[in-house]
Amino acid sequence: DAGVIQSPRHEVTEMGQEVTLRCKPISGHNSLFWYRQTMMRGLELLIYFNNNVPIDDSGMPEDRFSAKMPNASFSTLKIQPSEPRDSAVYFCASSFKGADTQYFGPGTRLTVL
Amino acid sequence: QKEVEQNSGPLSVPEGAIASLNCTYSDRGSQSFFWYRQYSGKSPELIMFIYSNGDKEDGRFTAQLNKASQYVSLLIRDSQPSDSATYLCAVQDNAGNMLTFGGGTRLMVKP
Repeated sequence: DAGVIQSPRHEVTEMGQEVTLRCKPISGHNSLFWYRQTMMRGLELLIYFNNNVPIDDSGMPEDRFSAKMPNASFSTLKIQPSEPRDSAVYFCASSFKGADTQYFGPGTRLTVL
Repeated sequence: QKEVEQNSGPLSVPEGAIASLNCTYSDRGSQSFFWYRQYSGKSPELIMFIYSNGDKEDGRFTAQLNKASQYVSLLIRDSQPSDSATYLCAVQDNAGNMLTFGGGTRLMVKP
């Protein structure tokens, strides 16, 4: 299996621009998680989906952030408008619902100038 | 607010020694506990999970859990330079979905 796939791997944008991060979970997994990692705050859960339905989005920092999962094999995390403080590495992870192991994608390193 | 606390380190040990990494958590109802390893610039990868009080061994790694003290630890025997990484402790909610991560402990194994 290819593992969790994320794109782009690196994104540099200017403040105010829209940013869309993409994730393809492992085939057959029915839970998907979006995390953000910074030096200051560590690894934080932003939102997670079970069977394409958002279950908990309490970690989404502001209304500027939105996430969708239109089908079992694709999810997006959108930031509009982006700000310099959004600079971080964003990870997507997937698992079987209720299972032990979350498998992480390679991450997207976002830099907002 | 569920909290998972780790000493940020760096923890420096000589090659061949035992590295001991510690983690405390605030949610007494937590049932599942995980250790992830993250190399610099890479994504976290699972090393071990533990559910029951006591020790669980897997090769050079031993996870220890004490629910009464709300304490989890990871021991790495015969530490190798390739073990140098950040180790993240994670606690799973009762529903078996969300993970709350600690800030991680950076381990340095010196040849």
